[in-house]
Amino acid sequence: DGGITQSPKYLFRKEGQNVTLSCEQNLNHDAMYWYRQDPGQGLRLIYYSQIVNDFQKGDIAEGYSVSREKKESFPLTVTSAQKNPTAFYLCASTPRGQGATYEQYFGPGTRLTVT
Amino acid sequence: QKEVEQNSGPLSVPEGAIASLNCTYSDRVSQSFFWYRQYSGKSPELIMSIYSNGDKEDGRFTAQLNKASQYVSLLIRDSQPSDSATYLCAAKGGNNRLAFGKGNQVVVIP
Repeated sequence: DGGITQSPKYLFRKEGQNVTLSCEQNLNHDAMYWYRQDPGQGLRLIYYSQIVNDFQKGDIAEGYSVSREKKESFPLTVTSAQKNPTAFYLCASTPRGQGATYEQYFGPGTRLTVT
Repeated sequence: QKEVEQNSGPLSVPEGAIASLNCTYSDRVSQSFFWYRQYSGKSPELIMSIYSNGDKEDGRFTAQLNKASQYVSLLIRDSQPSDSATYLCAAKGGNNRLAFGKGNQVVVIP
């Protein structure tokens, strides 16, 4: 089955700990994105990557880091510097290139709770 | 002005009626517009894409794009309880990013 997987579905951490959220896709999409969603809020872009070994900050990158060593994988690390890390984290991907429609497809999300 | 705005509050519609959602956008986004459905606690699901002026129909959903007035709308005909969800409007911005509105909640009343 083609798709985007995120693990784990629920994650609990103590304040001051770094945590890494996994995102994997087998859609052969070039671009991948990380969003954060808080209750009653829209989606806010954290980081995105359009090709392997390259990524750009989104609107709320502070306290987060990413890597893109493989086309299929785009892990997000929530560091202890992120002041309000409790949120629903969504990974998305989209094809690029000529004829691309820019439709983004989302994984199931990871709900992170930090206490 | 935000890139994409959805200003309406929660929308309650009787089962079988038409639900109408609107979204306006700024000059900073263009060309490609999307509607996503998000059930409570779940991730967004793409339900419609529209790229040119006019209407696009897919089953009970119709997306309408008016570039002159800079709005895009979504109509849900014969609304069903399973349509109860939050609907997110999105538009392609710079650097292949999507700009999202905050969403409109739809409640279909049986």
